[in-house]
Amino acid sequence: NAGVTQTPKFRILKIGQSMTLQCTQDMNHNYMYWYRQDPGMGLKLIYYSVGAGITDKGEVPNGYNVSRSTTEDFPLRLELAAPSQTSVYFCASSSDQPQHFGDGTRLSIL
Amino acid sequence: KQEVTQIPAALSVPEGENLVLNCSFTDSAIYNLQWFRQDPGKGLTSLLLIQSSQREQTSGRLNASLDKSSGRSTLYIAASQPGDSATYLCAPKDDQTGANNLFFGTGTRLTVIP
Repeated sequence: NAGVTQTPKFRILKIGQSMTLQCTQDMNHNYMYWYRQDPGMGLKLIYYSVGAGITDKGEVPNGYNVSRSTTEDFPLRLELAAPSQTSVYFCASSSDQPQHFGDGTRLSIL
Repeated sequence: KQEVTQIPAALSVPEGENLVLNCSFTDSAIYNLQWFRQDPGKGLTSLLLIQSSQREQTSGRLNASLDKSSGRSTLYIAASQPGDSATYLCAPKDDQTGANNLFFGTGTRLTVIP
């Protein structure tokens, strides 16, 4: 019962570095999502995908990129890390609803 | 843009008490609304999904109600237990977008005291 798996769980980056947050799901879901959760705030949608090869922007896409080459994987890339990107990142997937969430990646930019 | 507010932000109750968590949203044109639970350091777990045509949805000790026209939903937890301690988030689904995009409130942090 893996569900949605996110790696890494924790990461510290320096300003200007790049990294990819990995997300994979084993439920054959068409929809996948990336959210960020800042302290005391609700989750905000960064990008989403309705199927392999199809991605679209959410509410807060600036500074991020995504790709969806397979049904299972939906990586999120930070090209030039900035302190404002310090957050907890959640990946989710669904066939319709409800969405199933991973345990998150806690990212700090120093 | 949908704005979601949850009151109270934090709640502490003794074990066994019944409690109500509140959620309000600004755009009543929703398709459905979900209640999630989030444990510290973990992702979200879906508790209840209530369709816009429904007024209530129940699962065990949990009951969610929806008043779409007034932009309100409540989550009722009966006979609370320490294991219910978590943050509870509500998330309406926008009726106007094709994908299953959700708008999240900031949550209510519940502590049930043994």
